[in-house]
Amino acid sequence: NAGVTQTPKFQVLKTGQSMTLQCAQDMNHEYMSWYRQDPGMGLRLIHYSVGAGITDQGEVPNGYNVSRSTTEDFPLRLLSAAPSQTSVYFCASRPPGGEAFFGQGTRLTVV
Amino acid sequence: AQSVTQLGSHVSVSEGALVLLRCNYSSSVPPYLFWYVQYPNQGLQLLLKYTTGATLVKGINGFEAEFKKSETSFHLTKPSAHMSDAAEYFCAVSGPGNTGKLIFGQGTTLQVKP
Repeated sequence: NAGVTQTPKFQVLKTGQSMTLQCAQDMNHEYMSWYRQDPGMGLRLIHYSVGAGITDQGEVPNGYNVSRSTTEDFPLRLLSAAPSQTSVYFCASRPPGGEAFFGQGTRLTVV
Repeated sequence: AQSVTQLGSHVSVSEGALVLLRCNYSSSVPPYLFWYVQYPNQGLQLLLKYTTGATLVKGINGFEAEFKKSETSFHLTKPSAHMSDAAEYFCAVSGPGNTGKLIFGQGTTLQVKP
C-alpha cells in the first residue's frame, strides 16, 4: 500500500524560482490538503480540496496555488519562491469525517 | 470556523509518571477531534479520534482522551509514561460531514526523563 506519496523529499530553490510539489494518494479519498510545518507553529493549512475540481484556501494560502484535476493528485505550486517559504510541507488525504493520512514530507529550502 | 489551542509547547515528565497534554478547541459546529503523534523526521500518525458517541476515547500505545463539550476540551492522557513516548503531539479539529478543513494546534513536545 503506497498511501500518500510526496515528491521530492528535499529541494533547494533560489529566490524567485517556481516549482511544483507533487502529491498522490491511492486510497480514493475525497479530501486532500497541504500543510506547512514550522517550529513552534504546528501544521498550518495552505490549501485543501473536497473533491476533483474543488479547492479552497486554508490559513496561509499566499504564494501558493493548487489544482485538483483527479481524485488521486493534488499538486502544490510555488509561484515565486521566497525565503519565508522555507519549511517542511506535508500532503494529507482523508475520507469525510475520517482520519488524515500523511505523506513523508518535503523539506524545502529557499536561498 | 475551527481553531485549536494546545496549552504548553513543552511538557516534561519522568518515566512512569502521568502524561497530560492539554487541548482546547473552538468550533461553530459539532467537532470531530483528533490527536496525532510525530516522531523525529517522520510524518504524522493517528493516536485516537472522537467523532460521535462515547466521549472517552482510547487510542494506541495506551493513550486516551476525553471530549468535554462544556469545557471545549479534548485532553490527552496516559497513566504511565514510557521513554518511547517522547515525541511531538498535535491536536486537530474538523467539522462533521462535508467540511474539508482539518485544523491543527501548535503542537506539544513531550520529554520523558529516566
